[in-house]
Amino acid sequence: QQQVKQSPQSLIVQKGGISIINCAYENTAFDYFPWYQQFPGKGPALLIAIRPDVSEKKEGRFTISFNKSAKQFSLHIMDSQPGDSATYFCAASTHASGGSNYKLTFGKGTLLTVNP
Amino acid sequence: EAQVTQNPRYLITVTGKKLTVTCSQNMNHEYMSWYRQDPGLGLRQIYYSMNVEVTDKGDVPEGYKVSRKEKRNFPLILESPSPNQTSLYFCASSLNFWYEQYFGPGTRLTVT
Repeated sequence: QQQVKQSPQSLIVQKGGISIINCAYENTAFDYFPWYQQFPGKGPALLIAIRPDVSEKKEGRFTISFNKSAKQFSLHIMDSQPGDSATYFCAASTHASGGSNYKLTFGKGTLLTVNP
Repeated sequence: EAQVTQNPRYLITVTGKKLTVTCSQNMNHEYMSWYRQDPGLGLRQIYYSMNVEVTDKGDVPEGYKVSRKEKRNFPLILESPSPNQTSLYFCASSLNFWYEQYFGPGTRLTVT
């Protein structure tokens, strides 16, 4: 059972354009939604994260939009640059203590290519 | 430099030959975890450890063991590797579960 569904699998954007990656989740107990960025040959690194008490979080050119009722969240990259070319993973977890709640569940990833 | 280190970075082995991939962090983090990354499947959690006293299974623990005898180290053990364990493995750590996870550089394992 895939708990976090990510789309698209790959995305090609022109320099200066907007990149949009979407994720949907099933577990209503999820309350922490990070996005990780991975460059070839490197480990993933945290890009930006959101908790469901806000609908949007912006850090520079990167914005997370969160829709709790639809159980969806998305990453928007404004003014996309060739240096943004990487694989992006959404993830989700719950901060409730106990049981098996200390797991981070990732989407399958989106390969973003920004053409110059 | 604060970092998560993994060794080896590349490993080719044969079916059934026990191996250990080491993971060490120098950030005094409580939480450590192992993931495998496969094309089209993303990152899947194998095992995690909240601290030296608590270790638990992730989503794909079959065929793997872990050990957390001290805070800084969290080795991944494959007692009898099989070809379906050919993958890219990442170790990660965080101050505790509710903070950013820092990933190591990865270990590419091939089991023939």
